[in-house]
Amino acid sequence: DQQVKQNSPSLSVQEGRISILNCDYTNSMFDYFLWYKKYPAEGPTFLISISSIKDKNEDGRFTVFLNKSAKHLSLHIVPSQPGDSAVYFCAASGWDNTDKLIFGTGTRLQVFP
Amino acid sequence: NAGVTQTPKFRVLKTGQSMTLLCAQDMNHEYMYWYRQDPGMGLRLIHYSVGEGTTAKGEVPDGYNVSRLKKQNFLLGLESAAPSQTSVYFCASSYPSGPLNRQPQHFGDGTRLSIL
Repeated sequence: DQQVKQNSPSLSVQEGRISILNCDYTNSMFDYFLWYKKYPAEGPTFLISISSIKDKNEDGRFTVFLNKSAKHLSLHIVPSQPGDSAVYFCAASGWDNTDKLIFGTGTRLQVFP
Repeated sequence: NAGVTQTPKFRVLKTGQSMTLLCAQDMNHEYMYWYRQDPGMGLRLIHYSVGEGTTAKGEVPDGYNVSRLKKQNFLLGLESAAPSQTSVYFCASSYPSGPLNRQPQHFGDGTRLSIL
């Protein structure tokens, strides 16, 4: 039973345009959501997060939106740059004093010139 | 600033051999985690530790053991390696979260392990 789902394995976007990566979850106990970026042969790097008490969090070119009623979150990258080409993982956590993360399967983003 | 360091980066084992993967962090993080990543799948939690001397099972703990004798180190052991344990292993660490101050995990660059 996959609690965090990223239904798009890949996404291709032109440089300068918006990239939108989507993530759905099923567990209503999740209250903290994160996006990680991963380059080949490197570990995941924390990008941005959002708590369930918010519906939007912004950091430079990256914005995460949370729709609790739909159990859906999205990552917007504006404008997209070639260096953004990587695999993006959505992750979720519930408050239980362990901070364990449940990860989605990832979306490979390719930004072309 | 090293962050999270994993040793070794690559290893090839034969079925039945044993080995230990080492994770070291220099950020004074209380929590540490071991994940595995397989093709087409996200990272899955193997074991974790919320403090020195404590460990707990994650989602896929079978075939693995862990130890956290020092706060900065978290060891993952394979007692009798099996081909199904061929994977990329990631270690992560974090500060403990408060209910209104959630903390992200920081990852090492992984250990690529092949079991023949």
